[in-house]
Amino acid sequence: NAGVTQTPKFQVLKTGQSMTLQCAQDMNHNSMYWYRQDPGMGLRLIYYSASEGTTDKGEVPNGYNVSRLNKREFSLRLESAAPSQTSVYFCASSEGWDRGPAFFGQGTRLTVV
Amino acid sequence: AQSVSQHNHHVILSEAASLELGCNYSYGGTVNLFWYVQYPGQHLQLLLKYFSGDPLVKGIKGFEAEFIKSKFSFNLRKPSVQWSDTAEYFCAVNRVGGGADGLTFGKGTHLIIQP
Repeated sequence: NAGVTQTPKFQVLKTGQSMTLQCAQDMNHNSMYWYRQDPGMGLRLIYYSASEGTTDKGEVPNGYNVSRLNKREFSLRLESAAPSQTSVYFCASSEGWDRGPAFFGQGTRLTVV
Repeated sequence: AQSVSQHNHHVILSEAASLELGCNYSYGGTVNLFWYVQYPGQHLQLLLKYFSGDPLVKGIKGFEAEFIKSKFSFNLRKPSVQWSDTAEYFCAVNRVGGGADGLTFGKGTHLIIQP
């Protein structure tokens, strides 16, 4: 099925560990996004990639890095996980960055202990 | 950066009642506007969007929203809700040509429909 695929769906990390969240879309979209969702906070943009080869910081980029590997894939890396990074992470994509994310992945529930 | 306010954090309605969820934003320039829905345990889905043209926008599942530029508002409406509309609803705003900061979401409104 067409859409945005995220892996893994669940992850538990110890403080200081690193991990990479993977995201792929098969709709030939130009723009991809990473958001985190916390209770009572809505969704906050971590990083986005307006087009292949570009990445930009969003509202809450500290502690994260991203890679736009190709047009399909956009990964999010936590180099040294902290309990404050416990959250649900969503990847999304759209045809253009100013059109807003049209499709979201299923989310990754990350717990840092 | 722009901000988005959703005034009601929790709304409880009975089936067949009419729904209106408020959304206001702070940016004075041209904006794109969105409503998303997140059903329990699921990811966000786009309900409807406004880019330009007719300020009354119709979306999926009988939802509509009206853009009132003078009030900086984009309220979501549905004439008769169903139990299956129980979900979290998010309003979002994107400045057009205003900078590379993506889409700003409101904090969400948790809607509960009682049978």
